[in-house]
Amino acid sequence: EPEVTQTPSHQVTQMGQEVILRCVPISNHLYFYWYRQILGQKVEFLVSFYNNEISEKSEIFDDQFSVERPDGSNFTLKIRSTKLEDSAMYFCASSADTGYYNEQFFGPGTRLTVL
Amino acid sequence: KNEVEQSPQNLTAQEGEFITINCSYSVGISALHWLQQHPGGGIVSLFMLSSGKKKHGRLIATINIQEKHSSLHITASHPRDSAVYICAVSGGGSQGNLIFGKGTKLSVKP
Repeated sequence: EPEVTQTPSHQVTQMGQEVILRCVPISNHLYFYWYRQILGQKVEFLVSFYNNEISEKSEIFDDQFSVERPDGSNFTLKIRSTKLEDSAMYFCASSADTGYYNEQFFGPGTRLTVL
Repeated sequence: KNEVEQSPQNLTAQEGEFITINCSYSVGISALHWLQQHPGGGIVSLFMLSSGKKKHGRLIATINIQEKHSSLHITASHPRDSAVYICAVSGGGSQGNLIFGKGTKLSVKP
C-alpha cells in the first residue's frame, strides 16, 4: 500500500542552525501539507502546497520557514535558523485532491530537537 | 476560526467495553476526520465523513451536521485500541488544511 515517508525520523540540532526535513508524498497525490505537534499539545497546521506553490499558511509559518518541491517526488520543509521552540514532531501529509473531500495520508513524522 | 473540542481527554476502559469519544466544532464544515495516533507518534486516518455514519470493523463514526457534533465508537474494545484518537475538521482554507482537537487518550486494560 502506498505511504508517505519522512526522513530523518529524529533530528537533533543546535539553536541557530538550519534544518531540512524531507518527505516523499504518495506518488499520484497533488496536495501536500506540513503540520507540527509540540510535545503534549495538539497538532497544528503549518502550510499547504499545490501546483508548486504555497496555497495556505498559518501564522506559525513565518519567514524562517520555507517549503519546496525540488523534484517530482520530494517535498521539503526548511527551517533557516532554529529556535528552542521549534522542537516538535513535524508531520508531512498528502492527499489526492483538495483536503475538503479527500483523506489526508500522514507520514510517520520527524522529531526535531533543538538544543 | 473553527474551534474543535473533544471529550473526554482521557479514557480508561476494560477490554470488551463499548467506547464513545465525542467531538464538537464551532463553525460549519465540509468534512470531519477521525485520526489515530499511536505512542510512537505516527498518525493514521480512520474516517473522513461529511454526513451520516461510517463503519470500519469495530469502529463507527457518526456526524450530526446541524448540531456540529461527531462521535467515534469502538465496540468490543481491545488493548490494541489503546492510542490517542484525534478529531480534525477542514480549516476553511482553500486546500482543506485541518484544524485538530487535543485528542482523547484511550487506554484499554485486559
